Amino acid sequence: QSVLTQPPSASGTPGQNITISCSGSNSNIGPNYAYWYQQLPGTAPKLLIYRNNQRPSGVPDRFSGSKSGNTASLTISGLQAEDEADYYCSSYVGSPVFGGGTKLTVL
Amino acid sequence: QVRLQESGPGLVKPSQTLTLTCTVSGDSMTRDDTYWSWIRQHPEKGLEWIGYIHHSGRVSYSPSLKSRLFISVDTSTKQFSLRLTSMTGADAAVYFCARAGSDRQFDFWGQGSLVAVTS
Repeated sequence: QSVLTQPPSASGTPGQNITISCSGSNSNIGPNYAYWYQQLPGTAPKLLIYRNNQRPSGVPDRFSGSKSGNTASLTISGLQAEDEADYYCSSYVGSPVFGGGTKLTVL
Repeated sequence: QVRLQESGPGLVKPSQTLTLTCTVSGDSMTRDDTYWSWIRQHPEKGLEWIGYIHHSGRVSYSPSLKSRLFISVDTSTKQFSLRLTSMTGADAAVYFCARAGSDRQFDFWGQGSLVAVTS
């Protein structure tokens, strides 16, 4: 059982906008930053969003993050086939915690 | 470009100790705002933070692994290592090393090292 709760799966068609949620509590996401990682099949996770809504250099602006209260969200605008991956949210509560991951399928 | 590379055995016997090493290139290991981390992923499962170490030697471990875990760093060889004792099948996973920044975001990762536990 993960500390942060994500839907196990999500799907969308190319061009669609999709949002993945990450539900925490007022002891983790609430007072802390949220982060998002993308894990393509067979590869290591890649940092996608940090400090709730900041993108590292090289991450397309189709990826955006937000946070409201105890819930963080990742939005992918204009879904592309190469976005098919597992997405993990994370926060920090004295130590890093992760969500269980959301498998995104591009139909 | 920052690169991390795990090395170690792919197979460990039950009750034995796992030792993995991560070699860092393209970055200084002695920045005060950087932590060197281990994260694992069980087959078809999510990510689990194991622990991290600062170049000063300060460590932070996952409470669930703390009694079996030791992480060390050698900045002269640009390596940090994980030692996990009393391995069981529940420890079979892909082990990643990663760099954590000042916000504890994991911004660079190794490719991962698959560890099986079997006699």
